[in-house]
Amino acid sequence: DARVTQTPRHKVTEMGQEVTMRCQPILGHNTVFWYRQTMMQGLELLAYFRNRAPLDDSGMPKDRFSAEMPDATLATLKIQPSEPRDSAVYFCASGLGSMEQYFGPGTRLTVL
Amino acid sequence: AQTVTQSQPEMSVQEAETVTLSCTYDTSESDYYLFWYKQPPSRQMILVIRQEAYKQQNATENRFSVNFQKAAKSFSLKISDSQLGDAAMYFCAYQNYGQNFVFGPGTRLSVLP
Repeated sequence: DARVTQTPRHKVTEMGQEVTMRCQPILGHNTVFWYRQTMMQGLELLAYFRNRAPLDDSGMPKDRFSAEMPDATLATLKIQPSEPRDSAVYFCASGLGSMEQYFGPGTRLTVL
Repeated sequence: AQTVTQSQPEMSVQEAETVTLSCTYDTSESDYYLFWYKQPPSRQMILVIRQEAYKQQNATENRFSVNFQKAAKSFSLKISDSQLGDAAMYFCAYQNYGQNFVFGPGTRLSVLP
C-alpha cells in the first residue's frame, strides 16, 4: 500500500530555531506539493515540484522558507528562523502528472 | 486565476439520509480535473472522487456521486446513505492540466445519529 510519508509528525520548537520537515513521495510519482493548513487561511500551496524541479514557490515566504528535492525520494521544507505565526499543519502530497494528489499525514508544527 | 468556492461552511445530515455539498469554480480553461477530498479529524486528506472535465458522465464511487455542470462551473458532491464515518471537512479542488491545485475553503459535515 503506497503512501506518502512525512517526518516528524509533531514538532514543537522555540522561535528562532530552524525547522526541517521531510517528505517521501510515493515511488514513481513525479510531482510534489507542500501545503500549509491553518484555521484562518485554510489550505495554502507553498511549493510545487515536477521531476524535482521547482515550478512554483510563490506561496512561500522567501526570506525564511526553502523547499528542495535532493533526490526523487525526498522533499524537504525548511524554516529558518521559525516564528510563532508559522505554527500550522504542513502537508506534503505527491502525484503523477495531472492526476490526483495523495497526501501525507502532515506535520503539526508549534513555534513557541 | 482559478478560484474555487464552497458556499456552505457547515452542513449537517441525519444518518442514512442524503446530503449535497456545493462547489463552484472559475476558470477560462476547457480541460481540467475536479476533485473532492475528505479530511476527517485525523487530518489525513483522502481523495473521495475525481471528475475529468471532458467527460460528460458524472463520476460515482459507491455512496458518493457528483453533479458536474460544466457550463455552470458547478461540481456538487452527493453523499447517499450517510454514515457517522462521513463526518469530516470536505474540500473541492480544481486542477488545470500540469498546473497546481486550487482548493476551496471547505465544508464541515456533521452526521447526526
